[in-house]
Amino acid sequence: DTGVSQDPRHKITKRGQNVTFRCDPISEHNRLYWYRQTLGQGPEFLTYFQNEAQLEKSRLLSDRFSAERPKGSFSTLEIQRTEQGDSAMYLCASSRDRGWYGYTFGSGTRLTVV
Amino acid sequence: AQSVTQLDSQVPVFEEAPVELRCNYSSSVSVYLFWYVQYPNQGLQLLLKYLSGSTLVESINGFEAEFNKSQTSFHLRKPSVHISDTAEYFCAVTLRGGSQGNLIFGKGTKLSVKP
Repeated sequence: DTGVSQDPRHKITKRGQNVTFRCDPISEHNRLYWYRQTLGQGPEFLTYFQNEAQLEKSRLLSDRFSAERPKGSFSTLEIQRTEQGDSAMYLCASSRDRGWYGYTFGSGTRLTVV
Repeated sequence: AQSVTQLDSQVPVFEEAPVELRCNYSSSVSVYLFWYVQYPNQGLQLLLKYLSGSTLVESINGFEAEFNKSQTSFHLRKPSVHISDTAEYFCAVTLRGGSQGNLIFGKGTKLSVKP
């Protein structure tokens, strides 16, 4: 098991373009989380899945954001009509059952909107 | 709602000196507490956690943290730091018994260990 994989590692996009990130969790983990981390801040919760069901979305997740986890395996996070304020590190994590046993984080996708 | 305050954004120390990274939390209900470490260009790694039992928890690399319910604190300590401990450290909290398991993080403390 190679841990949580995120692709791409870096993405530079022009304002207004759509971007999609992928996360492959640890195979036996049924929970998958997306967080956003901006400069000087800790990670902020965006959304999480239990298997294929999206169970919670933060108010940070505007209607330009959508996340999916088809078949309860990998997940994608799409941002439509990107804005400069979307520039951040997008982190994916997975866990067994409830997260208080500790998440395993991926290395993140750094998005720069120019 | 829960919140986490890390009182120091940066902590510079010399190698082999002791260090304490401070974390206070706010919650009206019982919580679980965590410290995560982020080395440059890497993802966050779980350092240690307090779920229940002994209020003093230890990591495999010499860090320890003590849960203090009356002071709502979970400070991280190490008696003698190494250059390799240079990283950013995040304190986090989640609701005890909550169904989501999503973590609330502090803003992080950058530990810089100098020779």
